[in-house]
Amino acid sequence: DTGVSQNPRHKITKRGQNVTFRCDPISEHNRLYWYRQTLGQGPEFLTYFQNEAQLEKSRLLSDRFSAERPKGSFSTLEIQRTEQGDSAMYLCASSLLQLAGGVTQYFGPGTRLTVL
Amino acid sequence: AQSVTQLDSHVSVSEGTPVLLRCNYSSSYSPSLFWYVQHPNKGLQLLLKYTSAATLVKGINGFEAEFKKSETSFHLTKPSAHMSDAAEYFCAHNNAGNMLTFGGGTRLMVKP
Repeated sequence: DTGVSQNPRHKITKRGQNVTFRCDPISEHNRLYWYRQTLGQGPEFLTYFQNEAQLEKSRLLSDRFSAERPKGSFSTLEIQRTEQGDSAMYLCASSLLQLAGGVTQYFGPGTRLTVL
Repeated sequence: AQSVTQLDSHVSVSEGTPVLLRCNYSSSYSPSLFWYVQHPNKGLQLLLKYTSAATLVKGINGFEAEFKKSETSFHLTKPSAHMSDAAEYFCAHNNAGNMLTFGGGTRLMVKP
């Protein structure tokens, strides 16, 4: 399978705990994106990387959220001191930056977080 | 600011009848527009995209969409619905190659 993969697929945690999600993009893709999707809503952009550089992070929901892509390959999204409102599906996408033809993002299956 | 509006939160059709899912966008420049489909507890799968080439875009599974600049619309259609088309559909706008802005989604129900 050469698509975007995410782990774990499901995470149940207690309020106040820290959680970390991993995303492995399509291998040749240089851009990686994180989105959050709450029930009944469309995905909401959080942050993105081009190679290892995080080029946009102003949309991260609070300072409890952080993301890294240390070697320009996989990425992690961490939520510290989780709250019940953090319960959502966290989606990762990747794309290849091209000069023409637009940028198409391909999504992984998501990590569903439940905060008790 | 860019935005995407999906005009129907739910659409119900009978199997074998046409499907129309409506999407309007606002943008200050020529947009890239996408339709994605999401089956329950799954990620988003790309159906089709518009990137300023042909205004009628054909996608997977018999879906197509027409970009109408004058109406700022990008409606998704399919001539004949199949039971397997039942899912959530999202229209999205690409902000200069960075973030996607999504509509609220349309849940398509297909009756036998």
